[in-house]
Order: sequence, then structure tokens, then C-alpha cells
Amino acid sequence: EPEVTQTPSHQVTQMGQEVILRCVPISNHLYFYWYRQILGQKVEFLVSFYNNEISEKSEIFDDQFSVERPDGSNFTLKIRSTKLEDSAMYFCASSEAPDISYEQYFGPGTRLTVT
Amino acid sequence: QKEVEQNSGPLSVPEGAIASLNCTYSDRGSQSFFWYRQYSGKSPELIMFIYSNGDKEDGRFTAQLNKASQYVSLLIRDSQPSDSATYLCAVTTGVMNYGGSQGNLIFGKGTKLSVKP
Repeated sequence: EPEVTQTPSHQVTQMGQEVILRCVPISNHLYFYWYRQILGQKVEFLVSFYNNEISEKSEIFDDQFSVERPDGSNFTLKIRSTKLEDSAMYFCASSEAPDISYEQYFGPGTRLTVT
Repeated sequence: QKEVEQNSGPLSVPEGAIASLNCTYSDRGSQSFFWYRQYSGKSPELIMFIYSNGDKEDGRFTAQLNKASQYVSLLIRDSQPSDSATYLCAVTTGVMNYGGSQGNLIFGKGTKLSVKP
């Protein structure tokens, strides 16, 4: 069964460093998302991406964040200068089409720890 | 601020009982409603979605939606210990685009369910 994959599973970085979190969405999916979940908190929407551009972003997704689809398979989230409060689980998701009737499939997540 | 509220629990039910999970949302423009299950340390997994007022059944799960009351619930019949997890309610923000609605989800904090053997 096709699935969303994410690498690495765990990333430890020092405050102020740049990190890139990688995702490979399901191959025929067109709509991609990043969410994050701080430990013990709710899952929060960061950004959605369709047709090689950002469709919508939340207030969390400030200038420190960027997304890119550098090739036909990868979808990345970059945090330019990490802060302690960026420590969280980051989930990538994809759906077949930009429509609410299509299920979003979540990847296993990358746990980001900023020290 | 669009909010989704859930009782954090824990909700404890005996094996074989019905578990009832509830959720309220603040945005009257919300279009679609989802229930996800999340095991500890894992990613959310979709159980059901519902768009229209009323009930929707899928196996042991029934989702109920009342848009007038801004309320959505999930019933789990014949609860099993393997159902023990955190159940997340999520709604779409409902921005129309490309002939449909954008699917970015607003999640509640989740209700922790414990099914005792």
C-alpha cells in the first residue's frame, strides 16, 4: 500500500541552525501539507502546497519557514534559524486532489529537537 | 480564531461497551469534519469523515454531525483494548479553491480513550 515517507525520523539541532525536513508524498497525489505537533499539544496546520506554490499558510508559518518541491518526488520543509520552541513532531501529509473529499494521508513524522 | 474543542479525558470504558467522543467547533463556515486516531508517538490515522447533518456508520464507528449546534461526535461500538488511543476531531477551514475546498485541517487537542479488558 502506498504511503507517505519522511526523513529523518529524528533530528537534533542547535538553536540558530537550519534544518530541512524531507517528505516523499504518495506518487499520484497533488496536494501536500505540513503540520506540527508540540509534545502534549494539538496538531497544528503549517502550510499547504499545490501546483508548485503555497496555497495557504498559518500564522505559525513565518519567514523562518519555507517549503519546496525540488523534484518530482520530494517535498521539503526548511526552518532557517531554529528556535527552542520549534521542537515538535512535524508531519507531512498528501492527498490525491485539492478537495475535502479526498483523505489526507499522514507520514510517520520527524521529531525535531532544538537544543 | 477558529477553535475545535474536545474533552481531553481520559475516557475509560470496559471492553465491549460503547465509547462516545464529542467535539465542538467555533467556525460556522466549517464544511467537513474528520475523526483521526493517534497512537502514542505515531501519526494521525483517518477513521471517518462526515459532511452532512446526521449519522454516518462505518463498521463499529458512527459519526454524528449537528451543524446547527456546531457539534460532532464519534461512537465506537463493541470497544476493544486496541481502540485505546487519542481521538482527534478535525475540521476544514472551508476555503473554496480549484472547484473544491482546501483541505487544511484544524485539529482539537484530542480525547484519550482507554478500553479496559
